[in-house]
Amino acid sequence: EAAVTQSPRNKVAVTGGKVTLSCNQTNNHNNMYWYRQDTGHGLRLIHYSYGAGSTEKGDIPDGYKASRPSQENFSLILELATPSQTSVYFCASGSLKQDTQYFGPGTRLLVL
Amino acid sequence: GDSVTQTEGPVTVSESESLIINCTYSATSIAYPNLFWYVRYPGEGLQLLLKVITAGQKGSSRGFEATYNKETTSFHLQKASVQESDSAVYYCALGDNYAQGLTFGLGTRVSVFP
Repeated sequence: EAAVTQSPRNKVAVTGGKVTLSCNQTNNHNNMYWYRQDTGHGLRLIHYSYGAGSTEKGDIPDGYKASRPSQENFSLILELATPSQTSVYFCASGSLKQDTQYFGPGTRLLVL
Repeated sequence: GDSVTQTEGPVTVSESESLIINCTYSATSIAYPNLFWYVRYPGEGLQLLLKVITAGQKGSSRGFEATYNKETTSFHLQKASVQESDSAVYYCALGDNYAQGLTFGLGTRVSVFP
């Protein structure tokens, strides 16, 4: 069974602090993605990766960095967290042919 | 850029009634995008419900159906007789076939009452 896990599942951070959200997949997929979901918006793409060492900007990358140290792991980094980054973040993995993306359970981030 | 518009929720329907969630798309990066319906059941993560990657084809899963209509750029989701277990949030999405991430609609919350 395809599996994408995220940690932490819930996080409270302070404004200006650094936050790292982690994602792990056991699907052996090359591609991984970070999305955020807010009320009034669908899931919006922040960063994605085609494989270890690769990161690409999505539609809303400002204020975020990404890191893909291995096939299995993809992190989203908020160097200076702001309240506007309060959201639910979803990680996903997918095959090269953009057939199906498998999503993690999400991380709720609250920036105070 | 690409965009997806779907029925605004919440949608309330009685068990055994029919359900339709409208979805229309605009794809600027590719003529015939891949189209998806994802679903999130209460307490669970987002999961694929069905997908269609060829214009004119129909996808089906768990009693739901959606037909890829390139003339009307639509991908409406339908079910003839819903059950309480179909209560969930449904998302229409498109992919550009270049693995650059999916474009999602806002989601439609559906509540089915017995």
